[in-house]
Amino acid sequence: GENVEQHPSTLSVQEGDSAVIKCTYSDSASNYFPWYKQELGKRPQLIIDIRSNVGEKKDQRIAVTLNKTAKHFSLHITETQPEDSAVYFCAEEGAGSYQLTFGKGTKLSVIP
Amino acid sequence: ETGVTQTPRHLVMGMTNKKSLKCEQHLGHNAMYWYKQSAKKPLELMFVYSLEERVENNSVPSRFSPECPNSSHLFLHLHTLQPEDSALYLCASSPEDRAYSPLHFGNGTRLTVT
Repeated sequence: GENVEQHPSTLSVQEGDSAVIKCTYSDSASNYFPWYKQELGKRPQLIIDIRSNVGEKKDQRIAVTLNKTAKHFSLHITETQPEDSAVYFCAEEGAGSYQLTFGKGTKLSVIP
Repeated sequence: ETGVTQTPRHLVMGMTNKKSLKCEQHLGHNAMYWYKQSAKKPLELMFVYSLEERVENNSVPSRFSPECPNSSHLFLHLHTLQPEDSALYLCASSPEDRAYSPLHFGNGTRLTVT
C-alpha cells in the first residue's frame, strides 16, 4: 500500500447511536484491510479485518464494508457504548508487500 | 497480560545519551516489529525481524539501531537522538512476517528527548 486516507479525524456520538469511519486507499492491488482500536494509554488491538474477496464482515456490533471499485472501506459501530471511546486506525496491505500502511486514526468519543 | 512486554514504560533522555528499549514476547511468534507513533501521524513501521533476521528497514536514521538476539526478544538501541524523535515506540509481534498476520502490540515506551 502507498497511502491511506482516514476520515473523520475526530467523531463524537451519543451513546446508542452508530459511528462510521471511512478509509480510502490508492493501491488497487491491496487485498487485506484490518482495523485496530487503541484506548487511551493502551496498546493498539486488532478488532476486525476483511479480505478483498469479501464485501462485508460483521462481529456483533462491529462491521467492516469494502468497496474495491471505489477503493474504500469503512468501520461501522452500532449501539455505541462509552467503552467504544478510543482511537481507531485503519490499515491496508498492498500486493507484494508484507507491511501494513496505517491511516492517521480517528478519535471516537461516545457521550453517555 | 499482553503477551508482549516493553520496558521501560517511560524514558527521558538527553541528546547525547545512549539508552535501549526492550521488548519481549511469549506468544511463540516468528516476527517482531518496531513502530513509531507520533501525534496526528500514522503508525510508522521502523524495523521488521523474522526468525531473528532483519527483513525490513524503512529508511530509519542510524541513530536507531535494532537488535534481535532470539525470536522472543527485540531491542532498540538509541544514541544521539533529536527532540523530534520524541514519540511512543511500540513493539509488536505476529505469527508470520506477513501483513495479514495479526499484530500483537506491547504497551509502548513513551520517549522524551530533551
